[in-house]
Amino acid sequence: DAGVIQSPRHEVTEMGQEVTLRCKPISGHNSLFWYRQTMMRGLELLIYFNNNVPIDDSGMPEDRFSAKMPNASFSTLKIQPSEPRDSAVYFCASSLEGRGLAKNIQYFGAGTRLSVL
Amino acid sequence: DQQVKQNSPSLSVQEGRISILNCDYTNSMFDYFLWYKKYPAEGPTFLISISSIKDKNEDGRFTVFLNKSAKHLSLHIVPSQPGDSAVYFCAASFLYGNTPLVFGKGTRLSVIA
Repeated sequence: DAGVIQSPRHEVTEMGQEVTLRCKPISGHNSLFWYRQTMMRGLELLIYFNNNVPIDDSGMPEDRFSAKMPNASFSTLKIQPSEPRDSAVYFCASSLEGRGLAKNIQYFGAGTRLSVL
Repeated sequence: DQQVKQNSPSLSVQEGRISILNCDYTNSMFDYFLWYKKYPAEGPTFLISISSIKDKNEDGRFTVFLNKSAKHLSLHIVPSQPGDSAVYFCAASFLYGNTPLVFGKGTRLSVIA
């Protein structure tokens, strides 16, 4: 299995530009999570989907952030317009709902390092 | 308000000795706890987990202990190896339902040869 795939790995953009981060979850997983990692706040949840439906987006910092999951194998996180304070590493993770301790183990992609100048 | 706290930002241990990483949580409703390991430029990878019905779970060199009354868990690595050098994140969640993980800020472990 290829694991969770995120693209791009690195993104450098200028303030005001639109940024789109992409994620392909592990095939068969039915939950997808977007996290952001910063030095100050650590790893924090932005939004998560169950069966392609957004469940909780309370972690999305502002209306400039939006996320979609048009199908079970693809999700995007968009920032428009981007600001320097959005600079962080963005992680996507997926998991499979099921019984026992194997459930709720989230598998992470390698992340996208975003720099907004 | 941090619900999961890792109060030691860093830890150095000699190769072959025990590494003990600590984690405290405030929400008594959490009933499922995980440890993740993260190398630079990679995503966190799952290491070991424990549910609140147990107080210990072991997997090879890694053991997680849970003290529900103290709302405290710890990860023991014995013996520590240089390849264990990484950032370790403690996370808490709920056993039922596919819910997000609440992470601590991590502890950077350095194992010195």
